[in-house]
Amino acid sequence: NAGVTQTPKFRILKIGQSMTLQCAQDMNHNYMYWYRQDPGMGLKLIYYSVGAGITDKGEVPNGYNVSRSTTEDFPLRLELAAPSQTSVYFCASSDRSGGDLWAFFGQGTRLTVV
Amino acid sequence: RKEVEQDPGPFNVPEGATVAFNCTYSNSASQSFFWYRQDCRKEPKLLMSVYSSGNEDGRFTAQLNRASQYISLLIRDSKLSDSATYLCVVPELTGAGSYQLTFGKGTKLSVIP
Repeated sequence: NAGVTQTPKFRILKIGQSMTLQCAQDMNHNYMYWYRQDPGMGLKLIYYSVGAGITDKGEVPNGYNVSRSTTEDFPLRLELAAPSQTSVYFCASSDRSGGDLWAFFGQGTRLTVV
Repeated sequence: RKEVEQDPGPFNVPEGATVAFNCTYSNSASQSFFWYRQDCRKEPKLLMSVYSSGNEDGRFTAQLNRASQYISLLIRDSKLSDSATYLCVVPELTGAGSYQLTFGKGTKLSVIP
């Protein structure tokens, strides 16, 4: 059981480049989240989804886009990368239908924009 | 904006010591709470959930004080392996009827031999 899988684990981007961070979960969870964590800081919610076809903005959505075409996948798109987007990105999922609100996390993607 | 506040530490304690962390939250409507553990350069992992007055799991005890809007995590007989950052998490209902998880910045614990 893989849980939440994120790819890539590491990436270096040049300013202005674009990329997609992949996230997949095999637990049939309805909720999925994208967070970023800057050094010494807490996790900040970028976007979340309560089910396929439904996405909503979190606390820090600017510069990012998401889609949720399937229950399993929740990719995060960075357009025109900026140094301020250097961070560790975590994808998470939770099974709200079961009444549980806690989330499983992927191993993270470390992104550096230079 | 709802807030979750934690003492950042670091807490440096000797092996075998008892240590407690507090977390305050501003959303009085929150019904459940979580403590996560995050090791250096790793993802957060669920440690304990708190749905009523408290929860105990081995050396770990989580307590909830709704009147004062804080939750605490008590670790007894600290082990070297307990060294990590402990994150307080509060699920909050949005206007659209969905839930967001709000994380505190974490409390760093270092257990010293």
